[in-house]
Amino acid sequence: GDSVTQMEGPVTLSEEAFLTINCTYTATGYPSLFWYVQYPGEGLQLLLKATKADDKGSNKGFEATYRKETTSFHLEKGSVQVSDSAVYFCALSVNAGGTSYGKLTFGQGTILTVHP
Amino acid sequence: DADVTQTPRNRITKTGKRIMLECSQTKGHDRMYWYRQDPGLGLRLIYYSFDVKDINKGEISDGYSVSRQAQAKFSLSLESAIPNQTALYFCATSDFWQSTDTQYFGPGTRLTVL
Repeated sequence: GDSVTQMEGPVTLSEEAFLTINCTYTATGYPSLFWYVQYPGEGLQLLLKATKADDKGSNKGFEATYRKETTSFHLEKGSVQVSDSAVYFCALSVNAGGTSYGKLTFGQGTILTVHP
Repeated sequence: DADVTQTPRNRITKTGKRIMLECSQTKGHDRMYWYRQDPGLGLRLIYYSFDVKDINKGEISDGYSVSRQAQAKFSLSLESAIPNQTALYFCATSDFWQSTDTQYFGPGTRLTVL
């Protein structure tokens, strides 16, 4: 079945450090890939997405590139801030023949803490 | 006002009790979902509904039931709550016509079963 694997956390960084959170996936069909972020006490919100191979999603200084050859969608940010402290989820949704199933499969989440 | 709302936000109940969690949305989306979140396990899909007449089980539906009362309302019930159903529950919505599967989440309900 479809699955998403994220790097083990938690991740602790100092402000302005470089961030990478690894995400790999297995899927049938043609997945769309997502990163969601959950700030303390809140629901999840979409951070960025990519719908086909070699697409790069970006938002708020975060980037991730859809790599079909390595089945990966690693999240990166060049300089993190204290306000980036949150839980980050990688997810996929499988499309088949252009028809979306509309269901997300999530990774286990990675807790990021950024210190001043 | 929030587009996706959940009530209650927190609930403590006892083993064996019936409990209902409610979700309402003003986004006009046709699809709605219920997930539970447990530490280290991410989010797991309980039930999903692609329209009012379409209800489907997710990966962990045992012990849960749902009702789609209207396009905007999707309720999750625990018929007889047990302690391992203690978790954070999220409702989400999406729009079929967007075709990119972006889901929009409510703020969550923290449920504790004693």
